[in-house]
Amino acid sequence: AQSVTQLDSHVSVSEGTPVLLRCNYSSSYSPSLFWYVQHPNKGLQLLLKYTSAATLVKGINGFEAEFKKSETSFHLTKPSAHMSDAAEYFCVALNSGYALNFGKGTSLLVTP
Amino acid sequence: DADVTQTPRNRITKTGKRIMLECSQTKGHDRMYWYRQDPGLGLRLIYYSFDVKDINKGEISDGYSVSRQAQAKFSLSLESAIPNQTALYFCATSDLPDTQYFGPGTRLTVL
Repeated sequence: AQSVTQLDSHVSVSEGTPVLLRCNYSSSYSPSLFWYVQHPNKGLQLLLKYTSAATLVKGINGFEAEFKKSETSFHLTKPSAHMSDAAEYFCVALNSGYALNFGKGTSLLVTP
Repeated sequence: DADVTQTPRNRITKTGKRIMLECSQTKGHDRMYWYRQDPGLGLRLIYYSFDVKDINKGEISDGYSVSRQAQAKFSLSLESAIPNQTALYFCATSDLPDTQYFGPGTRLTVL
């Protein structure tokens, strides 16, 4: 089964600086990977997904992620953080064609 | 209007009570899912359904049951609630095998 590990439980950045949220996956084949975001007291929103079409995936709100097979990584980045980016971010792998396997989440804090 | 709705949004109940959480979707998807979220654990799959006649247990189904009343409706029941079922519960839907769309969640507290 595919699993994901989010390397940081909390990340703090200043507004306007780059964001890097790290995720490693464990799989013997190319997985389907996702990043979801959860704002306080909100449901989960899909940011982007990787399904082997392109290694650099662009998502909503200026986020992107790069699939690196050699490093088994799928890190999420954004060039310039905005206050509204403060939220919980989940790296997710698809198992068995239907089951989403969630990482434990990274809480992003954006300071003025 | 939201594509995936959940009722109630918040519920406080007592140990031993029967509770039903409801999920409705207007996306026309065949697949529906129930997850629970606990702090620091991400989301874990409770039950999933690929169509009205197909219901399957997920990773943590003990203590829960489900009913798929129609393509658009998928209910989660706790027959006898216990405190460690206090969590945030999410319903999700999908048509393709991969992308799932989540409801706003139900916060359940069992005293």
